[in-house]
Amino acid sequence: GENVEQHPSTLSVQEGDSAVIKCTYSDSASNYFPWYKQELGKRPQLIIDIRSNVGEKKDQRIAVTLNKTAKHFSLHITETQPEDSAVYFCAASGVYSGGGADGLTFGKGTHLIIQP
Amino acid sequence: DGGITQSPKYLFRKEGQNVTLSCEQNLNHDAMYWYRQDPGQGLRLIYYSQIVNDFQKGDIAEGYSVSREKKESFPLTVTSAQKNPTAFYLCASRWGSNTGELFFGEGSRLTVL
Repeated sequence: GENVEQHPSTLSVQEGDSAVIKCTYSDSASNYFPWYKQELGKRPQLIIDIRSNVGEKKDQRIAVTLNKTAKHFSLHITETQPEDSAVYFCAASGVYSGGGADGLTFGKGTHLIIQP
Repeated sequence: DGGITQSPKYLFRKEGQNVTLSCEQNLNHDAMYWYRQDPGQGLRLIYYSQIVNDFQKGDIAEGYSVSREKKESFPLTVTSAQKNPTAFYLCASRWGSNTGELFFGEGSRLTVL
């Protein structure tokens, strides 16, 4: 099955600076890589995703890059703001070890702290 | 108002008791999922279902059971065989494609006393 590693587990940045969160995956067949944001006490919500036929995608202050050869992808947040403080999860789609042809494997999450 | 509804939000149970968590969606999604969230562990898949009357084990299915008798409903039973049931449980759904957005419910926090 797929294995997703996410780093760092905690990231503290000054307001206005950039933040980068990195993930690696193991299954070369994975073809979909979403990022979810979970604010304290709330449900995870999709913020951006990328498919394996694309190397980079941007949405305002958020961007995701994918390197299929190296099997890693990253989330970039520029001009960070207090409301960016949350836990961010990366994920990769692939075939589950149970044999199902569908599923998302998540990283363990990064707690992003924006310092005023 | 479309979405995913989980109940109850908080649940306490004694050791040795089974408990069932409800998950209902009105998004007309084919696929539904149950994840368990523990601090520092991310989201781990318990069970998923791609179609009515069919479901598959995820990575940590032991001690759990599910059913999918209706498209909109995917209840999770935490049995007494689950060694560490205290956790935050998230239900999710999406269209059948494995590249579609996953929509989450607000979660159920189970505490075993």
